[in-house]
Amino acid sequence: KAGVTQTPRYLIKTRGQQVTLSCSPISGHRSVSWYQQTPGQGLQFLFEYFSETQRNKGNFPGRFSGRQFSNSRSEMNVSTLELGDSALYLCASSPSGQGAGTGELFFGEGSRLTVL
Amino acid sequence: GENVEQHPSTLSVQEGDSAVIKCTYSDSASNYFPWYKQELGKRPQLIIDIRSNVGEKKDQRIAVTLNKTAKHFSLHITETQPEDSAVYFCAASPGYALNFGKGTSLLVTP
Repeated sequence: KAGVTQTPRYLIKTRGQQVTLSCSPISGHRSVSWYQQTPGQGLQFLFEYFSETQRNKGNFPGRFSGRQFSNSRSEMNVSTLELGDSALYLCASSPSGQGAGTGELFFGEGSRLTVL
Repeated sequence: GENVEQHPSTLSVQEGDSAVIKCTYSDSASNYFPWYKQELGKRPQLIIDIRSNVGEKKDQRIAVTLNKTAKHFSLHITETQPEDSAVYFCAASPGYALNFGKGTSLLVTP
């Protein structure tokens, strides 16, 4: 099976712009969750989608949003970018229908966002 | 929400020695505790996990212990090897999302 695929792998944006990141989960996985990874804060939970519905959300401002399509592919969007949004954004899929916190997560390689 | 504290932030050991990483959590409802290993430039990967109805779990050189009363759990790596060098993340979940610690950078020197 193909692993979790994230695109783009690297991108550079300027403050005030917006960005959309894409994640294709492992085939058959219906849960997709997103994490922000920074050197000082580790991995922070953004949100989780299951069957096109946002099931859980972390403590991030409303500038961070996401969605999931009927084929389980997911996108996340960050609007009005700030310098502090520079991070590695990781997507993870899970075969569990019970939530992203109940079993193994399979991570993608991440999208590295730099905001100038 | 759940808050996971992880210590130490960096750990250096000699090859063959043991390494211990400790985590505490705040939400007594948490019932799933995985550990992920992230090598430099690579994606995090699950190395071991434990559920709240188990106190200890082993997998070859890796073991995890859980003390629900004290709300802490630990990762033990024995006979460390240079390829164990990586960042290790603990996490706790009450069922709906994983809350990660900030990571421990482990360096195993030959």
